[in-house]
Amino acid sequence: AQSVSQHNHHVILSEAASLELGCNYSYGGTVNLFWYVQYPGQHLQLLLKYFSGDPLVKGIKGFEAEFIKSKFSFNLRKPSVQWSDTAEYFCAVHYPNTGNQFYFGTGTSLTVIP
Amino acid sequence: SAVISQKPSRDICQRGTSLTIQCQVDSQVTMMFWYRQQPGQSLTLIATANQGSEATYESGFVIDKFPISRPNLTFSTLTVSNMSPEDSSIYLCSVGEASSSYEQYFGPGTRLTVT
Repeated sequence: AQSVSQHNHHVILSEAASLELGCNYSYGGTVNLFWYVQYPGQHLQLLLKYFSGDPLVKGIKGFEAEFIKSKFSFNLRKPSVQWSDTAEYFCAVHYPNTGNQFYFGTGTSLTVIP
Repeated sequence: SAVISQKPSRDICQRGTSLTIQCQVDSQVTMMFWYRQQPGQSLTLIATANQGSEATYESGFVIDKFPISRPNLTFSTLTVSNMSPEDSSIYLCSVGEASSSYEQYFGPGTRLTVT
């Protein structure tokens, strides 16, 4: 079965530090890729997405992610984090050609220390 | 983007009973999804609900346990039947469209505790 792995379960950073959260998926077919964020007390929100084209995609609040097909990866990055980025981050994969299946990673809890 | 509301926001139920969760969207959408997020775990897709057709259940989920209704393009319900403590979880509704490659918008979730 397909799966999504997020390698970092809990990350603690100081403000202005750079961030990279890993995401790998298990199947090499056609995929749509997403990062979602859940701020404390709020519901899941879309951070960014990749469907096709430029493998480097930019999202809201200065986040970006790079799709590397050969590595089945879609890592999330931000050059300088802020305290307000404290949240839970979920990577998700959609397989449109295999029954519209969706898989979410287990999430990464990011704490940014002022 | 769609705005989604869920009712109830939380509930505490006794084992053996059933709870129906409602999901309301502020616009017409083709596809609605129901997820479960158990404590400390990721989201797991329960089923996909399209208006006018039977819901499609993922492996490990069955209609008798999680019956779903989708009477129109803005509303859906998920019932958790014959509950046990293992059903304690957050249940999430989301919507998506094929035209946007199924980018999903999520509701606030329903926190269910079964005692």
